[in-house]
Amino acid sequence: AQSVTQPDIHITVSEGASLELRCNYSYGATPYLFWYVQSPGQGLQLLLKYFSGDTLVQGIKGFEAEFKRSQSSFNLRKPSVHWSDAAEYFCAVALSGGSYIPTFGRGTSLIVHP
Amino acid sequence: NAGVTQTPKFQVLKTGQSMTLQCAQDMNHNSMYWYRQDPGMGLRLIYYSASEGTTDKGEVPNGYNVSRLNKREFSLRLESAAPSQTSVYFCASNPGTANSYEQYFGPGTRLTVT
Repeated sequence: AQSVTQPDIHITVSEGASLELRCNYSYGATPYLFWYVQSPGQGLQLLLKYFSGDTLVQGIKGFEAEFKRSQSSFNLRKPSVHWSDAAEYFCAVALSGGSYIPTFGRGTSLIVHP
Repeated sequence: NAGVTQTPKFQVLKTGQSMTLQCAQDMNHNSMYWYRQDPGMGLRLIYYSASEGTTDKGEVPNGYNVSRLNKREFSLRLESAAPSQTSVYFCASNPGTANSYEQYFGPGTRLTVT
């Protein structure tokens, strides 16, 4: 069965610093990959997705993610974090040809210090 | 265009009481989902409906029932609430067509069972 690992439960950064959130998946084929963001008290919003093609994908709010097949990773990055980026971030994986149901990681909570 | 809406936003139940969580989407999506979110557990799928007229169990279906009332609406029922069902519940939808794996989430229902 596919699985998604987000090894960091919490990440603390200073405003203006760069950010990288880690995501690793376990599956033989290349899955469809997603990052979602959940602001406090809100539902999840899609940040970006990777299906195929260019392994560096751009998303909303200045985020990007890079798919590395050799490392089974899909890490999320942002060059300069803003206080409004404080939220919970979820990586998700879906199988092509499947029932459109993604598997979610357990999430990483981002804390931004002024 | 409201997207995915959920009612109520908050609910407190006593053990043994029943209630129905309502979800509606106005995006003409085929597939709808119910998740629960607990601290440190990420999102866990309770039930889903791949298309109107079908429902299937997810990872944690025990204690819940669902109804796909029509293409727009997908309700989740707790027949006899238990404290272990204290959680935040999210409804999501998805076009349910080829290569449409991203999900659209509602704002959530925060349920406390005492």
